[in-house]
Amino acid sequence: QSALTQPPSASGSPGQSVTISCTGTSSDVGAYNFVSWYQQHPGRAPKLIIYDVTKRPSGVPTRFSGSKSGNTASLTVSGLQAEDEADYYCSSYAGNNHFGIFGTGTKVTVL
Amino acid sequence: QMQLQESGPGRVKPSETLSLICDVSGYSISSGYYWGWIRQSPGKGLEWMGSIYHRGIPYYNPSLMSRVTISEDTSKNQISLKLSSVTAADTAVYYCATYGDYDAFDNWGQGTMVTVSS
Repeated sequence: QSALTQPPSASGSPGQSVTISCTGTSSDVGAYNFVSWYQQHPGRAPKLIIYDVTKRPSGVPTRFSGSKSGNTASLTVSGLQAEDEADYYCSSYAGNNHFGIFGTGTKVTVL
Repeated sequence: QMQLQESGPGRVKPSETLSLICDVSGYSISSGYYWGWIRQSPGKGLEWMGSIYHRGIPYYNPSLMSRVTISEDTSKNQISLKLSSVTAADTAVYYCATYGDYDAFDNWGQGTMVTVSS
């Protein structure tokens, strides 16, 4: 199974929105609503920010939102803030007890 | 509050076996959740290696299945990782993580860097 495909980079000015895509196949993203997103700052462990495609864990700001259409999931960060500058990774359950195929990662820059 | 802490040798020689420990505090591993390992090669993305449930069978990434073993020690509240026949491609930061309430990897350790080099 190959990694999910994400754009290498995305950027936006403070207050703007940025959307990151995550493209998989009908065997992973398209087959299950177990898509999650992670934020990783340099030198830090990833942090879960979206699970089950659209849900946010407690404490995650509402400006983070997720969606899915077919084999592609998306993460939108609205009202960009300086602290949102980080790497973002998607992940999907891939069936047969394969808990997570990760995306290639997207570096978000706040201009 | 649950905390995960990875430990192990920072350097392993090629062809040898990499062994890491994840100490869990604030939660008993026998109470639930899947406990597993995820790695991140320098400058690259994340790769799920495998996870185990208390008294359950472990599940492994098919790409690593022939080389990886994950086990639990409930007396020490620890999860262990063994990766055999390592090469330079196994150089990475290794994270211990839970797959729990959110159907996602929701708790992570800080990670430990392992370099494969002679």
